[in-house]
Amino acid sequence: DTGVSQDPRHKITKRGQNVTFRCDPISEHNRLYWYRQTLGQGPEFLTYFQNEAQLEKSRLLSDRFSAERPKGSFSTLEIQRTEQGDSAMYLCASSRQGSNQPQHFGDGTRLSIL
Amino acid sequence: QQQVKQSPQSLIVQKGGIPIINCAYENTAFDYFPWYQQFPGKGPALLIAIRPDVSEKKEGRFTISFNKSAKQFSLHIMDSQPGDSATYFCAANSYYRGSTLGRLYFGRGTQLTVWP
Repeated sequence: DTGVSQDPRHKITKRGQNVTFRCDPISEHNRLYWYRQTLGQGPEFLTYFQNEAQLEKSRLLSDRFSAERPKGSFSTLEIQRTEQGDSAMYLCASSRQGSNQPQHFGDGTRLSIL
Repeated sequence: QQQVKQSPQSLIVQKGGIPIINCAYENTAFDYFPWYQQFPGKGPALLIAIRPDVSEKKEGRFTISFNKSAKQFSLHIMDSQPGDSATYFCAANSYYRGSTLGRLYFGRGTQLTVWP
């Protein structure tokens, strides 16, 4: 059983650069979620997709952030003009649609802004 | 504003003890409450989940107790082991037309240490 896969696992970049993360969900899952987690905190919701449609976006998702899921399979999260405050773990999760369908998380991409 | 409030922030128990982690919520639209376990460098992993129509659910050594009127729920870990040392998160979300809505609202986490 292949779980949620995220790439890269770690990303170090200079402030002002653009970064892109990729998430491959569990193959039969039509829902895909992005969360951000900072040290000592629980994950905070950013956005989610059902198939290729982006159904909800958090206020945390500023105009520097964009997420896509063009074919309803993998997703990308891009951060433009990175800032120090963007340093965090970016988590992806996927689930089936329906009642009692749990979200399964990947191991995240840790972003460090120099 | 924290939608789900979790306590304590940290917890230390001896092997075999029963750590209890508590969560509270205000939004009466919440009707799905999962608990996740997270080890350093890993993503959260689902432990157990409960709906408000039951007051208790047990899976192995993990038990959720749910008090709908008080809008509180808690996780009990029976016969705790050093391998249970991790951070535990409670979470909540809502249903709409028979399907869970997207976002999970997480508590801030409880760092559990089980001494051998």
